[in-house]
Amino acid sequence: EAGVTQFPSHSVIEKGQTVTLRCDPISGHDNLYWYRRVMGKEIKFLLHFVKESKQDESGMPNNRFLAERTGGTYSTLKVQPAELEDSGVYFCASSQDRIEKLFFGSGTQLSVL
Amino acid sequence: AQSVAQPEDQVNVAEGNPLTVKCTYSVSGNPYLFWYVQYPNRGLQFLLKYITGDNLVKGSYGFEAEFNKSQTSFHLKKPSALVSDSALYFCAVRDIPTDSWGKLQFGAGTQVVVTP
Repeated sequence: EAGVTQFPSHSVIEKGQTVTLRCDPISGHDNLYWYRRVMGKEIKFLLHFVKESKQDESGMPNNRFLAERTGGTYSTLKVQPAELEDSGVYFCASSQDRIEKLFFGSGTQLSVL
Repeated sequence: AQSVAQPEDQVNVAEGNPLTVKCTYSVSGNPYLFWYVQYPNRGLQFLLKYITGDNLVKGSYGFEAEFNKSQTSFHLKKPSALVSDSALYFCAVRDIPTDSWGKLQFGAGTQVVVTP
């Protein structure tokens, strides 16, 4: 069974540029989550999709961040325009309905210079 | 608001010795508690969870954790550490019942280094 895959694994961009991160969840997992770890601190919740619908986006830092999940399959997280404080590791996770176990991707290391 | 504290940035232990990674939490209701592990260049992997029932929870790779309600702690333990246990360990909590099942509050992580 394929796991959660994220692309790219690393991205280095300049302040003001746009970056799009992609996540492919495990097939059949309706729940998809985005998390972020900044500066080696806590891993923070960003948002939660159930299929194509945003269930909870309370963790999104501001309107420079836009997440989509077209067709309830893969998801993208766009940062536009990127700022220095957006640097960090962005994790995607998926899960089956009402199952507490999350399956994480290996993350995207984003560096904004 | 819920929170998780992992007081140690790093834990060093010799192979074969007991390993303990500490975690304390703060929630408004009954907690759901989790441990995840991240090996280098990998995503986080689920180790174990406490939902209800027996305070001692057994998980993957020989790890276990003890839920202590009075001390609001959920320390991760392994009786005999292996070099391959060297990784980054995250404690997490979900404060039921308002949040979704996968919306977790994570700690900052504890780096475990097991030396031969």
